[in-house]
Amino acid sequence: EAGVTQSPTHLIKTRGQQATLRCSPISGHTSVYWYQQALGLGLQFLLWYDEGEERNRGNFPPRFSGRQFPNYSSELNVNALELEDSALYLCASSLESGGANTGELFFGEGSRLTVL
Amino acid sequence: GDSVTQMEGPVTLSEEAFLTINCTYTATGYPSLFWYVQYPGEGLQLLLKATKADDKGSNKGFEATYRKETTSFHLEKGSVQVSDSAVYFCVSRGYSSASKIIFGSGTRLSIRP
Repeated sequence: EAGVTQSPTHLIKTRGQQATLRCSPISGHTSVYWYQQALGLGLQFLLWYDEGEERNRGNFPPRFSGRQFPNYSSELNVNALELEDSALYLCASSLESGGANTGELFFGEGSRLTVL
Repeated sequence: GDSVTQMEGPVTLSEEAFLTINCTYTATGYPSLFWYVQYPGEGLQLLLKATKADDKGSNKGFEATYRKETTSFHLEKGSVQVSDSAVYFCVSRGYSSASKIIFGSGTRLSIRP
């Protein structure tokens, strides 16, 4: 069974441009999470989608946005790129089960965004 | 709000040493607790988990016990190996469909041969 896949693996943009990152969850998983990992360590929560809806959002400006498609894949868009947006963007999926959030997160390998 | 505090790194140990990485949490109710590991150049993967008080999660020689009285979930291993060098994240997840998943800041572990 395929794991969580992310594309592209690497992306280089310049300031002011837009970046689009994609994530395909594990088959059957309805929830997708996006995290930013800067400086190779701490994860900052960006967005959580479940069943096509945005469930929660981290403390990021509105130029970070996304969506989840009917097949549960997801897209993260970053507009008006700034140098500090350079980071590893990690996507994770899980199988939500009503309110019982005891499930494991399965992570992709990440998309490394470099803003010049 | 909910939070997770874990031991700051980097932690450097010799092979076969005993490892403890401290983790404490604050949460409303009783969250599920996890340790994730990120090996160099890879994504995160689940190492172990515990879903209720006094549960012990274990995997690959690592253990952590859910201590409600001290709100802790410390990670331990009796004898570390060079291959354990990685970044370790303590994570809590509340019992609510609207809960965010809270990551600790991560602890980088380096094991010397």
